[in-house]
Amino acid sequence: EVQLVESGGGLVQPGGSLRLSCAASGFTFSRYWMGWVRQAPRRGLEWVASIKHDGTEKQYGESVKHRFSISRDSAHNSLYLQMDSLRVEDTAVYYCARVVLPLDTGAFHIWGQGTLVTVSS
Amino acid sequence: EIVLTQSPATLSLSPGERATLSCRASQSVTKYLAWYQQKPGQAPRLLIYDASNRATGIPARFSGSGSGTDFTLTISSLEPEDSAVYYCHQRIAWPYTFGPGTKLEIK
Repeated sequence: EVQLVESGGGLVQPGGSLRLSCAASGFTFSRYWMGWVRQAPRRGLEWVASIKHDGTEKQYGESVKHRFSISRDSAHNSLYLQMDSLRVEDTAVYYCARVVLPLDTGAFHIWGQGTLVTVSS
Repeated sequence: EIVLTQSPATLSLSPGERATLSCRASQSVTKYLAWYQQKPGQAPRLLIYDASNRATGIPARFSGSGSGTDFTLTISSLEPEDSAVYYCHQRIAWPYTFGPGTKLEIK
């Protein structure tokens, strides 16, 4: 079964850091672009970051550029999001997602269940 | 960045009726537009990618059309379980963007 499972969310103070993880299974992880999408409470979807299947290209949304870093480890079939200098407005459910087709940027086909990040003092 | 506008914001229809949801892009995204369905407390679900391709397991009553700047998601005969928020998403240019969503209510 194709599956993504996020972990690492929680409560953090403004200015703090958090690292999210996403464990992938049921597909050849090294062939797919992966991304993070977030959703603030009662708000719409916001793309956060994406990483190429081989890790050689990374893209970020403007609101998280220079604060967040996306990475992947194909040996462990895992995707990560390092979040630094967190702000109250970063509070959201963070979803890990896989694109629909291998070796293509693509729409997000497979989603995790999401992990809640709360930034508050 | 490419701005996506969705209309209407809310749509209320009865089972068996046809739903037409619109997504307009601020500049051409050629065919690289996707549609997602999201129900409360759940992750989004991909319905349509690259304007008109149904994702695996999506019922045939969902169809997508359009190109350039104007796109449509059509649900041919509504079922009660189609009640959800529907988002469009472009992936032709970074940063990726999503539309604000259309809330579909089934009477």
